Amino acid sequence: DIQLTQSPSTLSASVGDRVTITCRASQTISSSLAWYQQKPGKAPKLLIYHASSLQSGVPSRFSGSGSGTEFTLTISSLQPDDFATYYCQQYNSYPYTFGQGTKVEIK
Amino acid sequence: EVQLVESGGGLVQPGGSLRLSCAASGFSVSTNYMSWVRQTPGKGLEWVSVIYSGGSTYYADSVKGRFTISRDNSNNTLHLQMNSLRAEDTAVYYCASYCSGGSCYSGVIHYWGQGTLVTVSS
Repeated sequence: DIQLTQSPSTLSASVGDRVTITCRASQTISSSLAWYQQKPGKAPKLLIYHASSLQSGVPSRFSGSGSGTEFTLTISSLQPDDFATYYCQQYNSYPYTFGQGTKVEIK
Repeated sequence: EVQLVESGGGLVQPGGSLRLSCAASGFSVSTNYMSWVRQTPGKGLEWVSVIYSGGSTYYADSVKGRFTISRDNSNNTLHLQMNSLRAEDTAVYYCASYCSGGSCYSGVIHYWGQGTLVTVSS
């Protein structure tokens, strides 16, 4: 199985900060990577797919980059609604796997 | 509007069985790619199974031989039959769709249900 390792596990930031989350794959996954946002008690929400394609309706402050084994999710200017947990997910091969999550907290 | 509503979760003893259902609206399950994904506090998000429009199915190794994904086209419903349940199957189970606007891409989850809790305990 392909392992995805996210860093950091927890991130403390302030409104307006630029935030970057990294996702590393244990083997190459091309650009078959998605990012999701999850708030407590809710299902995840798709933000980015194919590593860098912004899902319709998602604010442009979210962006994704990378290919192969290293990927990043960047929030250009953190907003109050962005405090949540973020997960990466690979869909290059079965079983599809998720990272362990990065919780973005208020500093 | 696309909506996925899961049901069937609950408390079951180890070794028991449970059948989850996911009622879909706003699209047809027969032409969709659909999955079950589960989440636990300890292991996070775990992909469980997928069924494609052509009927092909795939499973995580952890559930292979015990779980069966299926769909009822007449009722537009996705199912997950879970047998030989273990404590480690305890999780919130989400129904998920890989299609949006008539376009499907396996692995990219566009829609999620609200989840149903399965607890395996004696």
